[in-house]
Amino acid sequence: DTAVSQTPKYLVTQMGNDKSIKCEQNLGHDTMYWYKQDSKKFLKIMFSYNNKELIINETVPNRFSPKSPDKAHLNLHINSLELGDSAVYFCASSQNRGETQYFGPGTRLLVL
Amino acid sequence: DAKTTQPPSMDCAEGRAANLPCNHSTISGNEYVYWYRQIHSQGPQYIIHGLKNNETNEMASLIITEDRKSSTLILPHATLRDTAVYYCIVGDQGAQKLVFGQGTRLTINP
Repeated sequence: DTAVSQTPKYLVTQMGNDKSIKCEQNLGHDTMYWYKQDSKKFLKIMFSYNNKELIINETVPNRFSPKSPDKAHLNLHINSLELGDSAVYFCASSQNRGETQYFGPGTRLLVL
Repeated sequence: DAKTTQPPSMDCAEGRAANLPCNHSTISGNEYVYWYRQIHSQGPQYIIHGLKNNETNEMASLIITEDRKSSTLILPHATLRDTAVYYCIVGDQGAQKLVFGQGTRLTINP
């Protein structure tokens, strides 16, 4: 059983398009996260939600908008995609804030 | 910025113990040491964490020095599947985000 799943696994799109990445966790966790891993392999947190409320927003452009319809889902919508948005995006979840985080398999986004 | 320093790469022979060092000289009293690893093309995976006592689980052992300024992750019998980038992260238990550094790229050789 997949604990944290993301769709799609790969996403290739043109500059200027709008796209969404979905994340679901079946662990019953209260907190979910989005991380970005760039071409240099640095992993950086973007957002964190606890019980559907935004608790971390790490200087991410307004083009990125997370949405949490319920505790088990945290989706990432990106408007007006730019070349620099090309990266691997990881979703994660934890039981509560500050506890062990479980990561999804990643979504590889390529903007052409 | 990451509060830890790790060697960029290490090699270890299959079946041997892999000892990965981490320096965290500015760690404060309520901060834990966490270890995660990232196998190629996968998401990071939690390994172990500790505050000041040594810890052991089914994956690894964590040895923290008495002054808590450094630690060592030990994989007792490394296998080829342990080839990955290993991240040492410092944060308090209420930390709401993991700050990843560059990590150590561990290669297990047959």
